[in-house]
Amino acid sequence: LAKTTQPISMDSYEGQEVNITCSHNNIATNDYITWYQQFPSQGPRFIIQGYKTKVTNEVASLFIPADRKSSTLSLPRVSLSDTAVYYCLVGGYTGGFKTIFGAGTRLFVKA
Amino acid sequence: GAVVSQHPSRVICKSGTSVKIECRSLDFQATTMFWYRQFPKKSLMLMATSNEGSKATYEQGVEKDKFLINHASLTLSTLTVTSAHPEDSSFYICSATAGGGYSNQPQHFGDGTRLSIL
Repeated sequence: LAKTTQPISMDSYEGQEVNITCSHNNIATNDYITWYQQFPSQGPRFIIQGYKTKVTNEVASLFIPADRKSSTLSLPRVSLSDTAVYYCLVGGYTGGFKTIFGAGTRLFVKA
Repeated sequence: GAVVSQHPSRVICKSGTSVKIECRSLDFQATTMFWYRQFPKKSLMLMATSNEGSKATYEQGVEKDKFLINHASLTLSTLTVTSAHPEDSSFYICSATAGGGYSNQPQHFGDGTRLSIL
């Protein structure tokens, strides 16, 4: 199982672009990279998923370099409501299906 | 789409009581469901993985007789905390995926159950 490493916390201001990078050096060939957002006392919410290169949806972009040993979640023009914990997950088929949550990145957006 | 409902959202009960938590996938068939436990300001800790119709696979250190998991259908999994004690108090979260053994199907999470044992 690929272990992930993220910054523990980040601060930003409203309207700025925020990039959160996750390292996953031992990612396996079949593994996808998924990012989740969690607010206090709620379950995580799916943000975006990718395998390689760049993926974009209505809320975020995900950049994955060719070696796939890291990934960067990009949140354009953050608002106060984006203050949350962001988790990068690398999950794969290992004779079963399991993903292990890392510590996550606590993003604090200031006015 | 991909909605997971978890019930109840909060439980307060006396020590020694057994508590059942339900996790339902409302608009998709969940071949695999997961149960997590989360302590304050900590990350999610995987407790067990269950596939419909088979026994759950528990993570190391998780007592299977304490935390009974049943995944009887493709839309419902239950976690029963048996003879709960104050140290079982925590935030329990379930997730479901239609992906079976393949990682390109993301997990979709319920909103968690806050369990408080007095």
